[in-house]
Amino acid sequence: IAGITQAPTSQILAAGRRMTLRCTQDMRHNAMYWYRQDLGLGLRLIHYSNTAGTTGKGEVPDGYSVSRANTDDFPLTLASAVPSQTSVYFCASSDTSGGADTQYFGPGTRLTVL
Amino acid sequence: GQNIDQPTEMTATEGAIVQINCTYQTSGFNGLFWYQQHAGEAPTFLSYNVLDGLEEKGRFSSFLSRSKGYSYLLLKELQMKDSASYLCAVIDSNYQLIWGAGTKLIIKP
Repeated sequence: IAGITQAPTSQILAAGRRMTLRCTQDMRHNAMYWYRQDLGLGLRLIHYSNTAGTTGKGEVPDGYSVSRANTDDFPLTLASAVPSQTSVYFCASSDTSGGADTQYFGPGTRLTVL
Repeated sequence: GQNIDQPTEMTATEGAIVQINCTYQTSGFNGLFWYQQHAGEAPTFLSYNVLDGLEEKGRFSSFLSRSKGYSYLLLKELQMKDSASYLCAVIDSNYQLIWGAGTKLIIKP
């Protein structure tokens, strides 16, 4: 592994189903982030984690949950998917939290909720 | 509210120079990033400005004026591979990163 990986690459999901998007980094970064990217809008922060064992809510957290059991992994769960959650989801990490560090992004997961 | 404005789309010719502007109104300022994002790919870091002035890095330069709430990204000697979206992002007073919607740059031969 080099950098940050996400799985799956893409997924089509029926509304109401539960889905977990996986994110793993091997850079030993303390901070990790989940964004969604929709056409015509900037990246919007869903949840973040400043360090293992802590998480926080971003701009659009409703309908999503995260956990940070260790440094490397930061899964994002949709408890009951809805069509408005159709989007491209990017996981990112940075050496420290606080915004001033460069964020490194995973390749993204394209999710379609029908 | 917090707001970052960038042109939605720009077109330029291979070999030419293009300037992509970004204006921001945020609660405080602790730095500004430019990222490049090719279609279907992840954003990748281009530059970071925290002080006024021009930062040059090869064919790409980034300028910041904090008093005007303004930045631009200057791309010289354009190549076809520069066709991408360019994202401006500002760190606010809470050290949260606020993203613009991005500027899609189309390079024509």
